[in-house]
Amino acid sequence: DAGVIQSPRHEVTEMGQEVTLRCKPISGHNSLFWYRQTMMRGLELLIYFNNNVPIDDSGMPEDRFSAKMPNASFSTLKIQPSEPRDSAVYFCASSLGGTTNQPQHFGDGTRLSIL
Amino acid sequence: GDSVTQMEGPVTLSEEAFLTINCTYTATGYPSLFWYVQYPGEGLQLLLKATKADDKGSNKGFEATYRKETTSFHLEKGSVQVSDSAVYFCALSGAGNNRKLIWGLGTSLAVNP
Repeated sequence: DAGVIQSPRHEVTEMGQEVTLRCKPISGHNSLFWYRQTMMRGLELLIYFNNNVPIDDSGMPEDRFSAKMPNASFSTLKIQPSEPRDSAVYFCASSLGGTTNQPQHFGDGTRLSIL
Repeated sequence: GDSVTQMEGPVTLSEEAFLTINCTYTATGYPSLFWYVQYPGEGLQLLLKATKADDKGSNKGFEATYRKETTSFHLEKGSVQVSDSAVYFCALSGAGNNRKLIWGLGTSLAVNP
C-alpha cells in the first residue's frame, strides 16, 4: 500500500521566492496534517484538515503561509514570500477519521532550505 | 490544556542494555496514548499505542502501559539494538473529536555496539 507521498523531497531556494509543498494522503484517510520540524522548536502542527475542510490553522506562523486541500487526495502548503527562518523539514500526515485513537501516518518530509 | 512531558535526551546506551524513556501527561477526559519513532532522514512512524487505562501497547520488543493513576506512559525495551537508534516521541490524542495529537519534544536515543 502506498503511504503518504510528499514532494519535493528537497527544496533549496532564495529568500523571497514562492515555495509550494505537495502532499498526497493515504487513500481513504479523511484527516490531513501539516507539520514543521526544526531543532529549535521541535515538531509543530501548522494546520489540519478534516474532510478537506481546514479545522485548526492556529499553528500557521503568519500570513505568508497558506494551505489548501482541493480534494481528498491532494494538499498543498505554500510559503510566499519565503524567508531563511522558514528553513525546516515539513511533514504531511494523514489519518483515518472516526475516532481519536487512529494513528497518524507520516510522509518522508520535504527538507526546505531558504538561502 | 493537555500536555505531554518526556524525559530529555540524548540517551546513550550500549547494545543489549535496558531502555526506559519516561512520558507523563496531563489531559481532560480519556485520551489515547501513542509512541512514535523517527529514524534519521525519515518521517515519524507509529511504534505502539494504548487507548484506555491499563492497556499495554507493544511492538518490536518495545512496551508501554497506560497508567491513569500516575498519568504515565513510559516506553521500555529489555535489550536495545544499534538499529533502535532514533528519536522517540510520546503523544496523546486531543479532547472530543479533535484529531490533533499533543506531542512531547522527543527523546534521542543512541545505541552503541
